[in-house]
Amino acid sequence: GQNIDQPTEMTATEGAIVQINCTYQTSGFNGLFWYQQHAGEAPTFLSYNVLDGLEEKGRFSSFLSRSKGYSYLLLKELQMKDSASYLCAVRGLQGGKLIFGQGTELSVKP
Amino acid sequence: SAVISQKPSRDICQRGTSLTIQCQVDSQVTMMFWYRQQPGQSLTLIATANQGSEATYESGFVIDKFPISRPNLTFSTLTVSNMSPEDSSIYLCSAQRGQAFGETQYFGPGTRLLVL
Repeated sequence: GQNIDQPTEMTATEGAIVQINCTYQTSGFNGLFWYQQHAGEAPTFLSYNVLDGLEEKGRFSSFLSRSKGYSYLLLKELQMKDSASYLCAVRGLQGGKLIFGQGTELSVKP
Repeated sequence: SAVISQKPSRDICQRGTSLTIQCQVDSQVTMMFWYRQQPGQSLTLIATANQGSEATYESGFVIDKFPISRPNLTFSTLTVSNMSPEDSSIYLCSAQRGQAFGETQYFGPGTRLLVL
């Protein structure tokens, strides 16, 4: 079967660093995506990993270990506007479709 | 990136009726998809909208309930038929330009549907 797990919610302090984990078991793997979704808005693309290692993009970094079926999204220098849901999604073997995890609701406190 | 618009943005409907949601992309795209997002939950793929042929539905979703059209490379519709309160949800359209594995999917703003 297909299974993608993320923590349901996390809380962090403004200016701090937070790591959001994602583990997956899918019937195929052609990359892992992270999306950010603010309440009432569409998901927006953050990162894509297909090879093992760390991809850095400004304050956001994403890591992938294919052998462990594991990824994380690292957010540095947290800002209040980073309060949102973060969705982990895996692209399997079949076409372009994505399988989404349940999302992690991040609350950034002053 | 692709800019995606959806109409209507929200609607309140009576049970037993049908609603058609439109999705327009600002440029030609290879693939279009329809998702459902229940309040506070993640996205569930309903189907892949195929240009010029029948959509490909995921397990648990059927054409009679969710007919989909895709007449060209920039436009698709999703109809929610014979609605019940359980169909109350956010319906999102997404698109990606190519079929390479690294292609990003971009999402429309969603249609918020409430069925009474």
